[in-house]
Amino acid sequence: SAVISQKPSRDICQRGTSLTIQCQVDSQVTMMFWYRQQPGQSLTLIATANQGSEATYESGFVIDKFPISRPNLTFSTLTVSNMSPEDSSIYLCSALGTIANYGYTFGSGTRLTVV
Amino acid sequence: AQKVTQAQTEISVVEKEDVTLDCVYETRDTTYYLFWYKQPPSGELVFLIRRNSFDEQNEISGRYSWNFQKSTSSFNFTITASQVVDSAVYFCALRGANAGGTSYGKLTFGQGTILTVHP
Repeated sequence: SAVISQKPSRDICQRGTSLTIQCQVDSQVTMMFWYRQQPGQSLTLIATANQGSEATYESGFVIDKFPISRPNLTFSTLTVSNMSPEDSSIYLCSALGTIANYGYTFGSGTRLTVV
Repeated sequence: AQKVTQAQTEISVVEKEDVTLDCVYETRDTTYYLFWYKQPPSGELVFLIRRNSFDEQNEISGRYSWNFQKSTSSFNFTITASQVVDSAVYFCALRGANAGGTSYGKLTFGQGTILTVHP
């Protein structure tokens, strides 16, 4: 299955600022996703990153707060905008492999703390 | 809509005990995939198993085994002779696979079960 490099692995940010998280996959994948895991909680899907077009957001998540880019089949970014302490979470990128390989790969996650 | 329910929020066992983590799912997709992931304190997700909806054969991998029962929409996970290193949060997840379906490709996670194995 694909290997995902996600960075940064962790960051401490001031409220009101923005952080961009990068996700690089080592092979072409059919779909890429971004998840959020709040402290002590499960993973929640933020959006599907669509190659060359606007991301598809899940209920409760909006583009102004979480702009996402996917300029090609192997790279995506998630920006957490105008951060508040409530945005402190682990953010994970994931990728779904080709039809021949239904493998689902996750990045190692970005542990974000907003102070 | 998809839903995954893990009945146990926390489980505490003593080393060498067997432990079963329950997972029940709901989906309207006729084709789907079920997963188990382990999340150690480091935070990364460790893939354990993927099971197709059309394959109900149970699987064993070392001390791990999985019981998939489509009739009861359950996909339970058993650790035999648990070890301290098994302590982690375990997530069951469901991915819809009906082409064109709204759940296609998306993973829905259960709430997670915190497993603590004491020496």
